[in-house]
Parts: sequence; C-alpha cells; structure tokens
Amino acid sequence: DVKVTQSSRYLVKRTGEKVFLECVQDMDHENMFWYRQDPGLGLRLIYFSYDVKMKEKGDIPEGYSVSREKKERFSLILESASTNQTSMYLCASSSPRQLQETQYFGPGTRLLVL
Amino acid sequence: AQTVTQSQPEMSVQEAETVTLSCTYDTSESDYYLFWYKQPPSRQMILVIRQEAYKQQNATENRFSVNFQKAAKSFSLKISDSQLGDAAMYFCVINNAGNMLTFGGGTRLMVKP
Repeated sequence: DVKVTQSSRYLVKRTGEKVFLECVQDMDHENMFWYRQDPGLGLRLIYFSYDVKMKEKGDIPEGYSVSREKKERFSLILESASTNQTSMYLCASSSPRQLQETQYFGPGTRLLVL
Repeated sequence: AQTVTQSQPEMSVQEAETVTLSCTYDTSESDYYLFWYKQPPSRQMILVIRQEAYKQQNATENRFSVNFQKAAKSFSLKISDSQLGDAAMYFCVINNAGNMLTFGGGTRLMVKP
C-alpha cells in the first residue's frame, strides 16, 4: 500500500511565525503536491514538484514556498504565517507515467494561525 | 483553465437507498480523466472511481457507478445500496495532461440509518 505521511495532524501557530509542514511518501513517486482545503472551495494546488529540487507554482502560491531535497520528502513553508492561512493542508504524491494515475493523499494537517 | 462544479454542497440518503451526486466540468483538453474522490471524516482522501474521457462506457466499481455525458460535460456519481460507511465528503476531479488535478467544491453526503 502507498503511504503518504504528514508530520503533524494539528498545528497552532502565531501570526508571523515560520511554519514547516513536512510530507513523506514511500512509493518512490516522482510527483508530489501540496494543497489547501477550505470549505466550499475544494482543494486548491499551492505548489508541486516533479523531481528532486524541482518545483512549480500551483494556483495559489502566494505566501508559501516549498523544498524538495530528497525524492520522498516535500516540505511546505509558510515564511510568515498569517490568519488567512488557517486551513487544512494536504500532501499528495503520484507517478507521472500515465494520465490516469491517481494521486495518493496524506491525512492532512489542520493549521490554525492565531 | 479547467473548472469543476458541484452544485450540491450537502446531500442525504437513507441507508440501503440510492443517491446521485452531480458534477459538471469544463476543459479545453481532448484527453483527460475524471475521478471521484472520497474523504471520510478525519480520514485520508481515497479514489472511488475513474473515467477515461475517450471511453463511452460508464465506469463501475461495485456499488459505485458514473453517468458520463461528454457532450454535456457532466459526470455524476451514483451510489447504490448506501451504507453508513459511505458518509463522507465527495470530490469530483479532473486530471489534465500535466497530471495536475482540479477539484470541485465537494458534496457532503450524510447517510441516515
């Protein structure tokens, strides 16, 4: 079974803090993704990576950065957390070989910024 | 740009009955896949069913089936013999050539015992 894990299920941070969310997958997938999930908006893509040290902006990259130093690990960084970044953050991974490849999701991190 | 619209924020169904979740989408791609993903409360998102756009036959997975109307850009999910474990948020999703997913806003399905 594919396993995607995220470093925290719940996180509470203060405005202005630097926040690191980590994601690890064990299926040797090339693609990794970070989404945020908000009620009524579904999931929106923040950043994705198709290889080590590669990154591409998604639909809502502002206020976020990412790091992919190893194939299995993809980190999302909030340089200076703001209250509008309170959300559920989901990581996913997939193989790029075929269009129909599903994405495998982690359990999510619920972030509250006070 | 691709868009996915789920017009039903919430649905409810009696256990053992059938329910249909609606989805419409828009894309300029000719080659794409459509998916329904399920997110149970406090659990991971999982794939329910997928449909290849070039296939006319509707996909079926046990109690789950889709009604894919390509010309109308409609992709509804039918759940037969609903079970309590089907209660979840359901997302309609399209996959473009770049392996990037576009999600609808989701439909929360409640199953009444």
